[in-house]
Amino acid sequence: DAGVIQSPRHEVTEMGQEVTLRCKPISGHDYLFWYRQTMMRGLELLIYFNNNVPIDDSGMPEDRFSAKMPNASFSTLKIQPSEPRDSAVYFCASSNPGLGQENTIYFGEGSWLTVV
Amino acid sequence: SQQGEEDPQALSIQEGENATMNCSYKTSINNLQWYRQNSGRGLVHLILIRSNEREKHSGRLRVTLDTSKKSSSLLITASRAADTASYFCAGGTSYGKLTFGQGTILTVHP
Repeated sequence: DAGVIQSPRHEVTEMGQEVTLRCKPISGHDYLFWYRQTMMRGLELLIYFNNNVPIDDSGMPEDRFSAKMPNASFSTLKIQPSEPRDSAVYFCASSNPGLGQENTIYFGEGSWLTVV
Repeated sequence: SQQGEEDPQALSIQEGENATMNCSYKTSINNLQWYRQNSGRGLVHLILIRSNEREKHSGRLRVTLDTSKKSSSLLITASRAADTASYFCAGGTSYGKLTFGQGTILTVHP
């Protein structure tokens, strides 16, 4: 299996620009997660989807952040407008817990975002 | 918000020694998982222990869970330089959500 695929791997953008991060989950996985990792705040859950429906977006920091999952094989995380404090590694992850709900999560390699 | 705290924040040992990392969590969980992260990479699942289990082994890994104290520990026996990484615990709920701790940075010196 190809694993969770994220793009871009690295992005440097200017403050105020729109940033779109993309994710392709593992085929057959019905949960998709977006995490953000920084030195200061560690690994934070931003939002997660089940069967393409957002279940919990309480971790989304503010209205500048939005996430969509138009189909089972694609999700985006958008930041508009971006700010320097958004600089972080953004991880997408997916899982298929099944009936036991033991949710082992498979992570992508991350999108390293720098906003200058 | 983070599920809990890992202890210690950083651990430095010699190859061949055992490494023990602890994790405390705040909310009710269905399972407790440990993940490893190599520098610049994504997290990789190591082991899962259910809330009704007390101890679990996988190779050189041993995990314990004490639900009364809301705590877990990860023991890596006979450590190797290749075990150098960050280790995170994560509390899992029955509806699929995983919340991670702050992590322990383990350095194993050859």
